Amino acid sequence: QKEVEQDPGPLSVPEGAIVSLNCTYSNSAFQYFMWYRQYSRKGPELLMYTYSSGNKEDGRFTAQVDKSSKYISLFIRDSQPSDSATYLCAMTGGGGFKTIFGAGTRLFVKA
Amino acid sequence: SAVISQKPSRDICQRGTSLTIQCQVDSQVTMMFWYRQQPGQSLTLIATANQGSEATYESGFVIDKFPISRPNLTFSTLTVSNMSPEDSSIYLCSGMTGLDNEQFFGPGTRLTVL
Repeated sequence: QKEVEQDPGPLSVPEGAIVSLNCTYSNSAFQYFMWYRQYSRKGPELLMYTYSSGNKEDGRFTAQVDKSSKYISLFIRDSQPSDSATYLCAMTGGGGFKTIFGAGTRLFVKA
Repeated sequence: SAVISQKPSRDICQRGTSLTIQCQVDSQVTMMFWYRQQPGQSLTLIATANQGSEATYESGFVIDKFPISRPNLTFSTLTVSNMSPEDSSIYLCSGMTGLDNEQFFGPGTRLTVL
């Protein structure tokens, strides 16, 4: 079993839809959870960062962490064609822990 | 946050040659990393660049093939040695701030080996 599982998609949605991206993990030591957005031929860009459980909102983006279920989500409201990218979840325990990345989900938002 | 730049952004190299990739961070970071990303794939950690000492390599990566330097807190280099077509990939530099473990990436170096 991989430490982090993420459906690679692709996920295709119409403009304006609510997008839900998810990852599951197995290591209960993970404390820090990140979402990266990566456009084609670019480096990953840190989009959302959360510590421990709960929700964090930033504009159209909401990150949700459920440590009891070992499940994290990223919601994108009012999706735009410019949101078309690959979204990678990532997590670490902090300290000397490595950051573990999901496989990435390719998202296409159609105009 | 930290802004990370890499040089070169891309290169096409001949088999058997070596390429050194430079990574510059605009602020001090506690940790720097080098990753490889195959097209359509996730990130594979090559090594952690340690300031003033030998890098810490992940399984499957060795110093002779991927020598790394980190002379100070804001700069690191990765050399891909004796290249073969299998080394064609995107190489990404990353820095992590110590206070909150946020990790930032450079734009990547797209390497093609013929």
